[in-house]
Amino acid sequence: EIVMTQSPATLSVSPGERATLSCRASQNVNTNVAWYQQKPGQVPRLLIYGASTWATGIPARFRGSGSGTEFTLTISSLQSEDFAIYYCQQYSKWPLTFGGGTKMEIK
Amino acid sequence: QLQLVESGGGVVQPGRSLRLSCVASGITFRSSVMNWVRQAPGKGLEWVAGISVDGGNKYYADSVRGRFTISRDNSKDTLYLEMNSLRVEETAVYYCARNGPGYSYGGPFDYWGQGTLVTVSS
Repeated sequence: EIVMTQSPATLSVSPGERATLSCRASQNVNTNVAWYQQKPGQVPRLLIYGASTWATGIPARFRGSGSGTEFTLTISSLQSEDFAIYYCQQYSKWPLTFGGGTKMEIK
Repeated sequence: QLQLVESGGGVVQPGRSLRLSCVASGITFRSSVMNWVRQAPGKGLEWVAGISVDGGNKYYADSVRGRFTISRDNSKDTLYLEMNSLRVEETAVYYCARNGPGYSYGGPFDYWGQGTLVTVSS
């Protein structure tokens, strides 16, 4: 199975600053990566798919990049509503797998 | 309005069985690859199983293969997960989730249900 490793586990950032979240795949997944946001008590929400394509209604301050085994989610100018847990997922091969998540905290 | 509604969760003893259902509305269920994803309390997301649009292909996480069965009834717009030999560590919220349009194999999940809680405890 493909292991998705996210770093850091926790990221403390001040509102208005930029955040960079990383996700590494244990083997080549091309651009078959999605990013999700999950707030406490809520269902995960799709942000990015195809490594860099915005899902419907997602603000442009969320930007995905990468291919192969290295992927990044960049959130420019953090808003209060962006503090949440973020997960990457590969859908290149079964079994589909998620990363362990990065928790964004207010600094 | 697109909606996925899970049901069937509850408290079950270790080693027993439970069947979850997920009813879809507002989406073209029969043309959607569907999945189950679970989340243990305070933990991350774990994909459990996926099924092709016609039900002919089924995929499982190694942790559940041989004990869980995913199925669908397109005439009822309903997805199922039959769970046997349940373990304490499988206590989690179980979500059904749809592949985004055009993804007939693995895919990103664009719609999720609200989840149903399964508690495995003696």
